[in-house]
Parts: sequence; C-alpha cells; structure tokens
Amino acid sequence: EAGVTQSPTHLIKTRGQQATLRCSPISGHTSVYWYQQALGLGLQFLLWYDEGEERNRGNFPPRFSGRQFPNYSSELNVNALELEDSALYLCASSLWGTYNQPQHFGDGTRLSIL
Amino acid sequence: KNEVEQSPQNLTAQEGEFITINCSYSVGISALHWLQQHPGGGIVSLFMLSSGKKKHGRLIATINIQEKHSSLHITASHPRDSAVYICAVPSSNTGNQFYFGTGTSLTVIP
Repeated sequence: EAGVTQSPTHLIKTRGQQATLRCSPISGHTSVYWYQQALGLGLQFLLWYDEGEERNRGNFPPRFSGRQFPNYSSELNVNALELEDSALYLCASSLWGTYNQPQHFGDGTRLSIL
Repeated sequence: KNEVEQSPQNLTAQEGEFITINCSYSVGISALHWLQQHPGGGIVSLFMLSSGKKKHGRLIATINIQEKHSSLHITASHPRDSAVYICAVPSSNTGNQFYFGTGTSLTVIP
C-alpha cells in the first residue's frame, strides 16, 4: 500500500512569489491535513479537508489556502510568500475526519524563501 | 499557556536505559497521539490511545484522561530510537484541530 506522497520534496521561492504544494493521501483516506513546521518550532495545524471541503483551519492568514480534489488529493497554496514561510510542510491523511483516527504522514515539502 | 506541554525537551540516554517522556494537556480530548519524527522530517504515528495502556515492541504508552496526562516509555533504548517524539491531541471542542507538543529530542548513545 502506497503511503502519503508529497511533491515537490524541496521548493525554493523568493519573497512575493506563490507556492503550490501537493499531497496524495493513502488510497481510501478521505481526510487530508496540512501542517507547518518552522525551524525550531513545533508542528502547527494549517488546514483540514474532508470529502472535498475545508472543515477547519488553524491560525494562519488567508494567503494560506488550498483545496481537495474529487480523488481526495490536495494542494496547499501560499501566496505573497514571506521569509517566515520557510518551513517544512507536512501532509497527513486519515480514513475519515474524526479525532479518533490515526494520521499517516508524508515526508513533507521543504519550502525555502530567499 | 500551551495546550500541550511535553517534558523533557531534550533527553540523552545510554543504550539500554529506560526512557520516559511526559505529556500534559489542557483541552478536552477523546484520544491522544504519539508521533516519532526522524532527522529529515518524516513522521510516523506510534500510538493513538484514549485510555489505559498500549504496547508495541519496546514502546509503551499510557494515558490518564482524568489527570490529562500521558507518558511514552521506551524500554532497552537503542541508538535507532534517537528521534523527536511529539505528543498530539485533537481537540473535539475545535472541529478536529490538532494541538502539538513542542517535542522531546531523544539521543541514545551507544
């Protein structure tokens, strides 16, 4: 069974640009979560998608957005990139969006803003 | 105050030692997750538990819902256990938002 896959592995952008990160969940999983892990900081919850809809978002500005496609894959878009957006972005999936389902994580996309 | 507090932040142990990592939380939950993050970033879900104790190999996780406290134990620690261990609690009060501890960085020395 293929795990959660994320692309690209690394992404280098400059301030003001836009970045798109992609995530494919485990087959059969309908929920996708996005997290940010800045250097030296803990994981921060970004977004939760389930059955194609945004169900919840963390304390991040609107320039962080995303969507979930009919095949349950997801993309995270970050507009007007700022230096502090440099971080590891992790995607996780679960069978469905309840808090008592284990989450399976991808290896992450490391976004660097120059 | 953070919703999830972990201790210690850093831990160095000799191979073979018994290790305990603690997690306290303040939000209402029905389940708690322990995650392992290796250098490079990959995260593996170790346990999800809502009561009592779970064991997987040399790893044991316990939770006390009344006291809002969980512990992760590693018996006979090994250098390959070196990683960051993260406690995560999904809050049923906030639409499935997960709160994370800052992690415990474990180094096991041969």
